[in-house]
Amino acid sequence: DAEITQSPRHKITETGRQVTLACHQTWNHNNMFWYRQDLGHGLRLIHYSYGVQDTNKGEVSDGYSVSRSNTEDLPLTLESAASSQTSVYFCASSEYLAGEQFFGPGTRLTVL
Amino acid sequence: GIQVEQSPPDLILQEGANSTLRCNFSDSVNNLQWFHQNPWGQLINLFYIPSGTKQNGRLSATTVATERYSLLYISSSQTTDSGVYFCAVVASGGSYIPTFGRGTSLIVHP
Repeated sequence: DAEITQSPRHKITETGRQVTLACHQTWNHNNMFWYRQDLGHGLRLIHYSYGVQDTNKGEVSDGYSVSRSNTEDLPLTLESAASSQTSVYFCASSEYLAGEQFFGPGTRLTVL
Repeated sequence: GIQVEQSPPDLILQEGANSTLRCNFSDSVNNLQWFHQNPWGQLINLFYIPSGTKQNGRLSATTVATERYSLLYISSSQTTDSGVYFCAVVASGGSYIPTFGRGTSLIVHP
């Protein structure tokens, strides 16, 4: 069955370190999204991509970057981790623009 | 941008009770989805419903796009229905970016 996976599921890192969170989907969806979820803020969009070599900034993109070299993967990089980036990160994909989104299981990141 | 408001913010039920969750949005939409986030944090798709009515077992949803709201009905609630229910919309004529509501937290007691 097609699916969307994220790794690692849990990560503890130190302030200032570079961290990369992986997202892999096997639906062959063109559209992929990264969100963070924090108490009191709900789900907020970090970056998104509409296809290979396309990336766009979302509502809370500062301190994060993404690259899209193939259809299946959209890794999220924290260039220099900060304590404010402690959060749960979700990756999602959709087949169509404005289409139904499917979410990965999430990655819980703690920055000490 | 489009505003999404969900009500009530919190809901506590006894097992077997029925409930209605509401999602209001401030502009016309191309897409509306309902999700259930279970206590383990997983986001589960319930309905993709930009307009009309759909049913799936004990759950059903209705979106009245012209009046800019959607309702999620849960009948004969079970403890496994506990969690947070999110509504997410994509505004028409925009950038295809989803906007999420703050969610309704549901606790179902046995």
